Amino acid sequence: DQQVKQNSPSLSVQEGRISILNCDYTNSMFDYFLWYKKYPAEGPTFLISISSIKDKNEDGRFTVFLNKSAKHLSLHIVPSQPGDSAVYFCAAENQGGKLIFGQGTELSVKP
Amino acid sequence: ETGVTQSPTHLIKTRGQQVTLRCSSQSGHNTVSWYQQALGQGPQFIFQYYREEENGRGNFPPRFSGLQFPNYSSELNVNALELDDSALYLCASSKRGQGTYEQYFGPGTRLTVT
Repeated sequence: DQQVKQNSPSLSVQEGRISILNCDYTNSMFDYFLWYKKYPAEGPTFLISISSIKDKNEDGRFTVFLNKSAKHLSLHIVPSQPGDSAVYFCAAENQGGKLIFGQGTELSVKP
Repeated sequence: ETGVTQSPTHLIKTRGQQVTLRCSSQSGHNTVSWYQQALGQGPQFIFQYYREEENGRGNFPPRFSGLQFPNYSSELNVNALELDDSALYLCASSKRGQGTYEQYFGPGTRLTVT
């Protein structure tokens, strides 16, 4: 029962271009959605979050969009930089603070 | 501000043994959650501790247990280790009651069961 899905295992973009990472979910009761970035041999690093009552949140180069009717969220990174190369996880929070993660998308930003 | 720390970094155990993993939460945080991350997968929620009590549990058997101490640090104990327990174990801390949901992760403990 995969409640949070990231259907693209990998994504490659050119430096300076936009990276768009996608995530779908099935449970309409999720309160909060988060994106994490993970480098090898490190724990996930929190990037940006969005409440279920909003449809957009922006923080510098990172913007998260939430489409509740489609049960879809996306993370936009613009402009993409080589240092953004990492595995990105989307996660959904249900009541009680449990995070449910997708499988991750490996982003590669080429110079 | 001190981040989340975990120990040990790596651990090798034999099937049937018991293991204890440790986590120190970020200063100012009162809640600790544990996750298991298998290779190529996203982290899976094991359980969460708040005010020294278990506050939610994922789909893990009772041989996975934990503790939270008055200083908010935490332990994860796994009894009767199985080969499938080999994974990266992540601890995350958060500040419950502040209206935020962000959890901050430690570097993890890599457990190998042989």
